[in-house]
Amino acid sequence: SQQGEEDPQALSIQEGENATMNCSYKTSINNLQWYRQNSGRGLVHLILIRSNEREKHSGRLRVTLDTSKKSSSLLITASRAADTASYFCATVPNSGYSTLTFGKGTMLLVSP
Amino acid sequence: DTGVSQDPRHKITKRGQNVTFRCDPISEHNRLYWYRQTLGQGPEFLTYFQNEAQLEKSRLLSDRFSAERPKGSFSTLEIQRTEQGDSAMYLCASSLASEPRTSSKGELFFGEGSRLTVL
Repeated sequence: SQQGEEDPQALSIQEGENATMNCSYKTSINNLQWYRQNSGRGLVHLILIRSNEREKHSGRLRVTLDTSKKSSSLLITASRAADTASYFCATVPNSGYSTLTFGKGTMLLVSP
Repeated sequence: DTGVSQDPRHKITKRGQNVTFRCDPISEHNRLYWYRQTLGQGPEFLTYFQNEAQLEKSRLLSDRFSAERPKGSFSTLEIQRTEQGDSAMYLCASSLASEPRTSSKGELFFGEGSRLTVL
């Protein structure tokens, strides 16, 4: 089963524009993570935000977390063609084992 | 440290055949995970190991699937009597957890995956 739901499913922008992807989840979490996947490749961890954090930055990435709404957003600023990939949010539950549960992802296309 | 490696990268097989995938995690990582990903979907959890112990299995892991991590290092995922619905990318990931049966809570490091096509 997939816990997170990303929105939009696909996003097409021009280089230099910002890209915003949203993620909603259902259960109480310990942390939420964002991963990137280039076509046909493995996933690469981008950023982790804990349940007691509201915002986190890493380079051109900005992640927010609203636990009251059970939602998160990933903002990529000044996008580049190389940012073209699928982006997944994944949640770690507050209890039990730490099986990371992924959403269906947002496919981002950045055109030069 | 060369990261998580998976072998083979691609496997084409006929329905009914058995296939085995191997995963070599990052050497100091004690947790190893298997996920399955179909086209247009996110990875779905199959199972994970803490050292050599298999701690959790998804209900997606039917009787035809078996995973092992005999010495707490590399792992194998075997699919017996493959079906066309088994066609997917099988992803392995590893992480470092400080204590058994507690959440590592941290990031997973993924391999490049093994793509299975069942004809």
